Amino acid sequence: EVQLVESGGGMVQPGRSLRLFCAASGFTFEDYAMYWVRQAPGKGLEWVSGINWNSDNIGYADSVKGRFTISRDNAKNSLYMQMNGLRPEDTGLYYCAKGSGYGSGSYPVYWGQGTLVTVSS
Amino acid sequence: DIQLTQSPSTLSASVGDRVTITCRASQSITNWLAWYQQKPGKAPKLLIYKASTLESGVPSRFSGSGSGTEFTLTISSLRPDDFATYYCQQYYSFPYTFGQGTELEIK
Repeated sequence: EVQLVESGGGMVQPGRSLRLFCAASGFTFEDYAMYWVRQAPGKGLEWVSGINWNSDNIGYADSVKGRFTISRDNAKNSLYMQMNGLRPEDTGLYYCAKGSGYGSGSYPVYWGQGTLVTVSS
Repeated sequence: DIQLTQSPSTLSASVGDRVTITCRASQSITNWLAWYQQKPGKAPKLLIYKASTLESGVPSRFSGSGSGTEFTLTISSLRPDDFATYYCQQYYSFPYTFGQGTELEIK
């Protein structure tokens, strides 16, 4: 059974940093693209970032480009998101999602339950 | 970036109704479009990918169509469990994007 467990969220002041983690199990992690998607309270889904199986194709939403960095460790079945220069508008529930394939043409299939990030002074 | 516009934003319907949600892309995405259902407090669930392919385990009352810039999600006969929010998402190119969502509510 596919399992994605996010952690690392919390409350942080504007301008500070957080690192999110996603522990994956139940599938061959190194064979799949992975994604981060967020949802602000009461709002819709926003795609944040994606990474292909071997980390050589990475994309970011314009709203986080230059501040967030996605990475993965296939040996540890783990996905990460380093978030720097956090802003109040980054507040939301951050989901980790498994792709349908290893790279281009892949879409999110399975989602974790999310980790909550709150940016406030 | 590719923008996706869903309509309507809210849809009121009754059990048994046939409903259609539209998703328009700002440029051609061929058929690289997925549809998700989300219920309050839950993670999204994949319904359809490649514009019209039903994900395994999803009831056949759900169907998708379209290509290029215009897509639709149709539920042929609403069940009580279908009242939720629906999102389209393009995976044609980074950055991927979602539509703003369509809330399907009970009339």
